Amino acid sequence: AQTVTQSQPEMSVQEAETVTLSCTYDTSENNYYLFWYKQPPSRQMILVIRQEAYKQQNATENRFSVNFQKAAKSFSLKISDSQLGDTAMYFCAFISGSARQLTFGSGTQLTVLP
Amino acid sequence: NAGVTQTPKFRILKIGQSMTLQCAQDMNHNYMYWYRQDPGMGLKLIYYSVGAGITDKGEVPNGYNVSRSTTEDFPLRLELAAPSQTSVYFCASSGTSGRNEQFFGPGTRLTVL
Repeated sequence: AQTVTQSQPEMSVQEAETVTLSCTYDTSENNYYLFWYKQPPSRQMILVIRQEAYKQQNATENRFSVNFQKAAKSFSLKISDSQLGDTAMYFCAFISGSARQLTFGSGTQLTVLP
Repeated sequence: NAGVTQTPKFRILKIGQSMTLQCAQDMNHNYMYWYRQDPGMGLKLIYYSVGAGITDKGEVPNGYNVSRSTTEDFPLRLELAAPSQTSVYFCASSGTSGRNEQFFGPGTRLTVL
């Protein structure tokens, strides 16, 4: 079974600074997809970024980028120029190419301080 | 487009009562999902569907039932509610498969007393 581990239950960062959230996963498959979802206090789940395992290039979306280390099974999220609106719970999620369901990590609560 | 809608937003049930959580999407997505989120935890899959008439169990299906008679609707039924089912329930949908983005509804907060 696949597992996703987020070892940082809580983090904080000063506004305008950069922060990195960690995620590791365990799988024996070679074809899979990784996601970071954001859940602000409104509770709405929002996709932040998506990475396909077969792509060597790290995904980027504006201020959000990932460091995908396939051999180490690591998928960290970097948030640059942090904004107050980035305060949220961040979930790492995994799905293998043959599966039909996402596996979520336990989340990291990020607080951006003014 | 409304995206994924869920009703109700909040509900309090007594032990042993039953209820149906409604979920609808207007994006013509084939895949739909029900998750539960317990405090401080990630989401766990209850049931999912890959199209009308097809449903399958997820990680935590006990105490729940689903049906998928149309592409748009995917209701979740709780029979004989128990305190362990106190949680926030999310419905989600995706177009072709779980490998693509899942769009989530706003959630239903359910308390069983």
